[in-house]
Amino acid sequence: KNEVEQSPQNLTAQEGEFITINCSYSVGISALHWLQQHPGGGIVSLFMLSSGKKKHGRLIATINIQEKHSSLHITASHPRDSAVYICAVPPFGNEKLTFGTGTRLTIIP
Amino acid sequence: NAGVTQTPKFRVLKTGQSMTLLCAQDMNHEYMYWYRQDPGMGLRLIHYSVGEGTTAKGEVPDGYNVSRLKKQNFLLGLESAAPSQTSVYFCASSLVNTEAFFGQGTRLTVV
Repeated sequence: KNEVEQSPQNLTAQEGEFITINCSYSVGISALHWLQQHPGGGIVSLFMLSSGKKKHGRLIATINIQEKHSSLHITASHPRDSAVYICAVPPFGNEKLTFGTGTRLTIIP
Repeated sequence: NAGVTQTPKFRVLKTGQSMTLLCAQDMNHEYMYWYRQDPGMGLRLIHYSVGEGTTAKGEVPDGYNVSRLKKQNFLLGLESAAPSQTSVYFCASSLVNTEAFFGQGTRLTVV
């Protein structure tokens, strides 16, 4: 069974701080997804990556396939980054995603 | 471009009542999914579809039925609602091995 673990579960930081959220998974995968969910809101896809690094604005996602680990970084964090960040993986040959329980990020002005 | 649209957004049901949640996507995606999200747990797959006319069970299918008569629509039915089905329901769609697009969610309370 594919397990997806995220850390930390909760993270509070001051505006401007560099943020790192981690995701580990247990089986081989074809790609990893990072999603964002604002309080009371829908879910938005941030990244889908299968190797290396991707960058979008202040967000950077990295993945190490050999170590079965991915990180999501936020540079110059802002209160509007406050949300739950979720990683999800589809195991090889399986179109279904397994989700982590999410990391609740709060950025204080 | 509307993306993925779920209706309704909120609903309160009495135990034993039935209802249908509608998910519509306008991106010509093959895959569609229904998830439920409960506090302290990750999203869990209820049912999914890999194309028009096909459906399959996910992780927590009991008490739910689905239909995909048209490619753009994926319906989730609750035959006899129970308090344990109080949750937030999300629909998603995708192509093969691409990013998933999610609806805004349906908050269902069963009393």
